[in-house]
Amino acid sequence: SQQGEEDPQALSIQEGENATMNCSYKTSINNLQWYRQNSGRGLVHLILIRSNEREKHSGRLRVTLDTSKKSSSLLITASRAADTASYFCATDGNDYKLSFGAGTTVTVRA
Amino acid sequence: GAGVSQSPSNKVTEKGKDVELRCDPISGHTALYWYRQSLGQGLEFLIYFQGNSAPDKSGLPSDRFSAERTGGSVSTLTIQRTQQEDSAVYLCASSLPPSGSDQETQYFGPGTRLLVL
Repeated sequence: SQQGEEDPQALSIQEGENATMNCSYKTSINNLQWYRQNSGRGLVHLILIRSNEREKHSGRLRVTLDTSKKSSSLLITASRAADTASYFCATDGNDYKLSFGAGTTVTVRA
Repeated sequence: GAGVSQSPSNKVTEKGKDVELRCDPISGHTALYWYRQSLGQGLEFLIYFQGNSAPDKSGLPSDRFSAERTGGSVSTLTIQRTQQEDSAVYLCASSLPPSGSDQETQYFGPGTRLLVL
C-alpha cells in the first residue's frame, strides 16, 4: 500500500512561476525523499530530508518537512520547461523500503 | 561512473510466457531493490537484496515472481506464466547498504516496460 500521497495530482504553470506540491504520509519516518520521473521511466533523486530537519534547499528546490503534521512540501522556483515531469515523495519507516505516493504531474507551459 | 542499467528497455510477450528482466547496479552498491509501477501509479516495492541474499521478498505479488542476484552484482527478476495484469514498468534501484536507521539514497535505472498481450 502507498504511504505517501501527493497533492495536487496535476499542476500546470507558466514558465518562470513557482510550483508547489505536497506530500502527506501516515506512519513515522526516518527520512523523506523527493524524486522526479520523466516520461514514465527512471526516477531521478532530487533531495532527501531527514526526520530531524525542517527545511532543505538544493538549487531551485526547497523542501519542508513537518513531522507533527506528517507532511512535506516541494517548491520549485522559477520553473522551466525542463521541469515538466512527475514528482514523487517517498518515505522510509524503520526499514529500507521506500513507499511512494502516486505522484504529482507538473506541466510547465512556455 | 555508470548508473543503474536495465535490460531490455521494452518487452512484449504473450500471456503465459516467462520473462526475465535484468538489472545491473552501480558498482559498489550492495543493496538492490526491485519496484513495479503500473500506469499512472506510484512505485510498488517488490524485493530487496543485500549482497546475494533477499531478506525481504514480501512485495512479490505471487509465486510466479522470483528474483536472484549473483556475485553481489547483477540481478534477474523472473515472471513465470505472465498475465496481463503483470504489464507495468519494472524499476530497479541500488544503494549503499542501509546503515542503522538511515536510508541511503536509492538510484534508479531507466526501467523495463513490460507488456503482456
